Parts: sequence; structure tokens; C-alpha cells
Amino acid sequence: EPEVTQTPSHQVTQMGQEVILRCVPISNHLYFYWYRQILGQKVEFLVSFYNNEISEKSEIFDDQFSVERPDGSNFTLKIRSTKLEDSAMYFCASRRDYEQYFGPGTRLTVT
Amino acid sequence: AQTVTQSQPEMSVQEAETVTLSCTYDTSESDYYLFWYKQPPSRQMILVIRQEAYKQQNATENRFSVNFQKAAKSFSLKISDSQLGDAAMYFCAYIHTYKYIFGTGTRLKVLA
Repeated sequence: EPEVTQTPSHQVTQMGQEVILRCVPISNHLYFYWYRQILGQKVEFLVSFYNNEISEKSEIFDDQFSVERPDGSNFTLKIRSTKLEDSAMYFCASRRDYEQYFGPGTRLTVT
Repeated sequence: AQTVTQSQPEMSVQEAETVTLSCTYDTSESDYYLFWYKQPPSRQMILVIRQEAYKQQNATENRFSVNFQKAAKSFSLKISDSQLGDAAMYFCAYIHTYKYIFGTGTRLKVLA
């Protein structure tokens, strides 16, 4: 069964550094998403992406964040100048119809 | 604004017993989808069950079933014959403009 994959599974970075989180969506899916879950809290929507552009973003998704589909398979989330409060699990999801399929997540730790 | 409320931060159930997790939501839409996700310690989001709002019949997946009350905007999850592997965080979710809105979660403990 096809699945969404994410790399790395765990990323540790120093405050102020840039990180890129990578996702490979399911191949025939057209819509892509990033969600964030701070430890012990609920999962929050960050951004949705369709047809090579952002279709919707939340108030969390400020200028520090960017998304890209650099090739036909990868979907990336870049966080510039990371802050301590960016420490969280980041989930990628993709969909073709209404249901989204989540990747296993990347745990980002900012020290 | 669309919101999803899970009023039980934590629930406990004895192994082999039945437990019900509550979820209410707020929407002005008439056609939508609702989901329950399980998040074990690995933090992977695992789909448990889905419900289309236009279907009156409650969804069922093996030991998991929902009680969907559209007028009351309620979507509870019933787990029958609870197993130790059911212990996890459970999130209720609603789809709005194709993005998920999640509740705050209920931590389910299963007692041996």
C-alpha cells in the first residue's frame, strides 16, 4: 500500500539555523499539507499546497516558513532561523480525494 | 469559526471493556467529513474511522464504532473489547476547506 514518507525522522538543530524537512507524498496525490504538533498539544494546520503554489496557510506559517516542490516527488518545508518554539513534530500529508494520508512525522528539536 | 472540542483530556478503561470518547464540533456546513485518529507513543497519526456527514448510518470498523449525531454536532468514538494496544492519544478531526481541524485529544489508558 502506498504511503507518505518523511525524512529525517529526527532533526536536532541549533537556534538560528535553517532546516529543511522532506516529504514524499503518495505518487498520484495532488494536494499536500504540513501540520505541526508541539509536544503534548493538538495537531495544527500550517499550509496546503496545490499546483505548485500555496492554497492556504495558517497564522503560524509566517515568513520564517516556506514550502517547495522541487521535483516531481519531494515536498519540502523550510524553516529559516529556527527558534526554540519551533521544536515540534512536523507531519506531512497528501490527498487525492477528501481523505488525507499522514507521514510518520519529523521530530524537530531546536537547542 | 470551525472548532472541534474533546472535553475528556484522559480516560481509562479496563481491558476487554467498552469506552466512549466524546467529540463535538461547530460548523455551518451541511456536508463534511469527520475522523478519529489514534496517536501511539511513536506519534504516528493512524486513521481509526471516518464518517461522511451525509450518511445517516454510523461508521463501524471492527471494534471501533461512532455515534454520529448531526443535529447535535456530536461524533463520539466507541471502542469495544478494549485491548492494551488501544492505549494512545485519540484525536477527533473535521475537514474544513480541505484542511483538518483537530481537537485537543483524549489520552486513553487501558488497564490490565
